[in-house]
Amino acid sequence: AQSVTQLGSHVSVSEGALVLLRCNYSSSVPPYLFWYVQYPNQGLQLLLKYTSAATLVKGINGFEAEFKKSETSFHLTKPSAHMSDAAEYFCAVSDNGNNRLAFGKGNQVVVIP
Amino acid sequence: GAVVSQHPSRVICKSGTSVKIECRSLDFQATTMFWYRQFPKQSLMLMATSNEGSKATYEQGVEKDKFLINHASLTLSTLTVTSAHPEDSSFYICSAPGTEAYEQYFGPGTRLTVT
Repeated sequence: AQSVTQLGSHVSVSEGALVLLRCNYSSSVPPYLFWYVQYPNQGLQLLLKYTSAATLVKGINGFEAEFKKSETSFHLTKPSAHMSDAAEYFCAVSDNGNNRLAFGKGNQVVVIP
Repeated sequence: GAVVSQHPSRVICKSGTSVKIECRSLDFQATTMFWYRQFPKQSLMLMATSNEGSKATYEQGVEKDKFLINHASLTLSTLTVTSAHPEDSSFYICSAPGTEAYEQYFGPGTRLTVT
């Protein structure tokens, strides 16, 4: 079965600094990988997805992620944090894109002014 | 984008009672919907796949008699927590696939507290 690991439940970053959220996956088949963001009292919103095309994926709000098969990783980055980036971020994996997602534990991002 | 709503957003019920949570796709049809639960500081765990016009498919370890799912129309799935106990207190989230491949729309979630 597929799974993802996100380390560090809380991540603090200074405004303007690099945002880096790590995600490592485990899958017996070529994975489909996703990053979602959840703002308070709102549903999860898709940031970006990897579906076996380009390994560097660009998403909304200036985020991007790189699929590295050799490292089984799909880390999320943003060059310069903004106060509005404060939210919870989830990495997820799906085998064969069948819509059944396995989520990581999430990272609560706090942006320090 | 497409919107999925859930009702209620919060509910408090007494132990032993049943609670129904609704998940609606507001501007699109969904033959399939997914139900997740999320415990504090933990990941979303898939509970079941709701199928319009047929029985739901439950994940291993999820009691189908306790978590009743009904997908009566192309825009509505309901999750009923029967004979609720305090350990059922959790955040329940539904989702529905969009028209694009690998796309899913999530509801805002329902916070259930069983006293």
